[in-house]
Amino acid sequence: DAGVTQSPTHLIKTRGQHVTLRCSPISGHKSVSWYQQVLGQGPQFIFQYYEKEERGRGNFPDRFSARQFPNYSSELNVNALLLGDSALYLCASSRISSGNTIYFGEGSWLTVV
Amino acid sequence: QQQVKQSPQSLIVQKGGISIINCAYENTAFDYFPWYQQFPGKGPALLIAIRPDVSEKKEGRFTISFNKSAKQFSLHIMDSQPGDSATYFCAPGMDSNYQLIWGAGTKLIIKP
Repeated sequence: DAGVTQSPTHLIKTRGQHVTLRCSPISGHKSVSWYQQVLGQGPQFIFQYYEKEERGRGNFPDRFSARQFPNYSSELNVNALLLGDSALYLCASSRISSGNTIYFGEGSWLTVV
Repeated sequence: QQQVKQSPQSLIVQKGGISIINCAYENTAFDYFPWYQQFPGKGPALLIAIRPDVSEKKEGRFTISFNKSAKQFSLHIMDSQPGDSATYFCAPGMDSNYQLIWGAGTKLIIKP
């Protein structure tokens, strides 16, 4: 079975631009979470979506938004990019929203210049 | 509010030695205790996990030991290899915001 897939794997954007990151969960998983990981630090929670609804939101500005589609795939959107948004963006999926058995994708490396 | 304490922060072990990483938690409602392994530039991978109805689980060179009364669980890596060099996270639960509760991570270096 395919794991969590993310795209793109690497991208470079300019300050002020917008970026969309995509995630396909493991088949049968209805929950998708997004995390930001800055080099040398642990992952920071951005959002969780379950059955297409936002269930949880971390301490990130409104420039960050996400959505989940009927096939349970998800997009993370970041507007007005700042240099500090440069990070590894991780998508994770799980069967239910409240379980901590979650599986991560390989991430999308975003560099903002 | 620190719900999870992971130690040590970093660990250097000789090849062939035993690596031990510990995780202490506060919430007695947690019922699933995983360890994640993360290599640089990659996403965390679920390495091994345990339910509280058993005190130990072994998968190859990796063992989880669980002490329910002490609210602690640990990861033991036997015969540590350079390829085990990575950062390890415990993640024993979720909060009310559906956010995974992580330990701070342990950077493990295995010296050849």
